[in-house]
Amino acid sequence: AQSVTQLDSQVPVFEEAPVELRCNYSSSVSVYLFWYVQYPNQGLQLLLKYLSGSTLVKGINGFEAEFNKSQTSFHLRKPSVHISDTAEYFCAVTASSGNTPLVFGKGTRLSVIA
Amino acid sequence: DARVTQTPRHKVTEMGQEVTMRCQPILGHNTVFWYRQTMMQGLELLAYFRNRAPLDDSGMPKDRFSAEMPDATLATLKIQPSEPRDSAVYFCASGTPQGEQYFGPGTRLTVT
Repeated sequence: AQSVTQLDSQVPVFEEAPVELRCNYSSSVSVYLFWYVQYPNQGLQLLLKYLSGSTLVKGINGFEAEFNKSQTSFHLRKPSVHISDTAEYFCAVTASSGNTPLVFGKGTRLSVIA
Repeated sequence: DARVTQTPRHKVTEMGQEVTMRCQPILGHNTVFWYRQTMMQGLELLAYFRNRAPLDDSGMPKDRFSAEMPDATLATLKIQPSEPRDSAVYFCASGTPQGEQYFGPGTRLTVT
């Protein structure tokens, strides 16, 4: 079984500042990793994914994440945030053996301050 | 731009009533997932199907919840009878064999 820990429940950051949202996972098998964003009263939107290959993955809206197998981490970063990035961010993991359910972290609330 | 659709978007009902939520997955995706989101529990898996066959429904209260996929274009989640503790946002997600899941907008259920 897999599990995900998002280390920060809330992250306030000033506009145009960089941000990192932390995610650690646990699994006894190879995994796929994802970050999703949820804006108020909306569904989850896929930001980026790691399936294999390069450990640095780029996603939409200027976000990127780095897969670190030795540290079992998949932290999300953006060099300069905008007000519109204010949302809830979820890290998720699934076994790479097939299209099995995602296991989600509890989420990190990113608040961008003007 | 293919997307997952869910109906209704909002549902308010009284305790004891039947609730049916519907999902149309993205054409060509072979897996459909039902998740529930609450403030206390976060996102929880209720059930999922692959190629329309149910694979796991261990996340659902069996006595009141049922999930079906009568055809490739429709998945349903029913609650009978509904209870106030079922109040939540219910998401359907459509999945590819590569593990990507695409979420619908959700059904916000309120049981009074």
